[in-house]
Amino acid sequence: GESVGLHLPTLSVQEGDNSIINCAYSNSASDYFIWYKQESGKGPQFIIDIRSNMDKRQGQRVTVLLNKTVKHLSLQIAATQPGDSAVYFCAENIFGAAGNKLTFGGGTRVLVKP
Amino acid sequence: SAVISQKPSRDICQRGTSLTIQCQVDSQVTMMFWYRQQPGQSLTLIATANQGSEATYESGFVIDKFPISRPNLTFSTLTVSNMSPEDSSIYLCSVGTAYEQYFGPGTRLTVT
Repeated sequence: GESVGLHLPTLSVQEGDNSIINCAYSNSASDYFIWYKQESGKGPQFIIDIRSNMDKRQGQRVTVLLNKTVKHLSLQIAATQPGDSAVYFCAENIFGAAGNKLTFGGGTRVLVKP
Repeated sequence: SAVISQKPSRDICQRGTSLTIQCQVDSQVTMMFWYRQQPGQSLTLIATANQGSEATYESGFVIDKFPISRPNLTFSTLTVSNMSPEDSSIYLCSVGTAYEQYFGPGTRLTVT
């Protein structure tokens, strides 16, 4: 079935460096994508979103890039900080049993080294 | 954004028993969602619960195993019935829409 997946399960990055987290999606009809951050013991927290009519969107220290040609999504974190250590999920909006729903990718754990 | 709380935060249960998880929101919301997050894995949608109607379950999830109540616009419960060790997961509720969702802290369930 349709799915959203990630290339790298774990990313170790030096504090201050930039992080790039990748995500592949398979549903070409998806029109909306979200990145979530999940810290240990907490629920996912919204980071940034992007609609399919855009190829780039920037937030505070984060940038999401969307390449619809190859169905690829990435999250860039600038100047990674210890507080960025978490698991990051991409999610896509697809049509499900109760209408539109979010489908989550497998997750990438980011470990920030001091 | 909404503030969402869940009870219990964690529990250890015997196989064959049932556990009811509560989700409380600080504002009225139309749509609530229940997800399962198995150890080290991503989130999988169990069902969508709208107030005043039956919950809609995703493929692979059935009402007999995961009955859901939605008595009002700020509250929902998910019951995990006749538990087995395979039900050990984090269960999360969320509110919002398919485009914007806010998550509770989750309930960590261990079945022995």
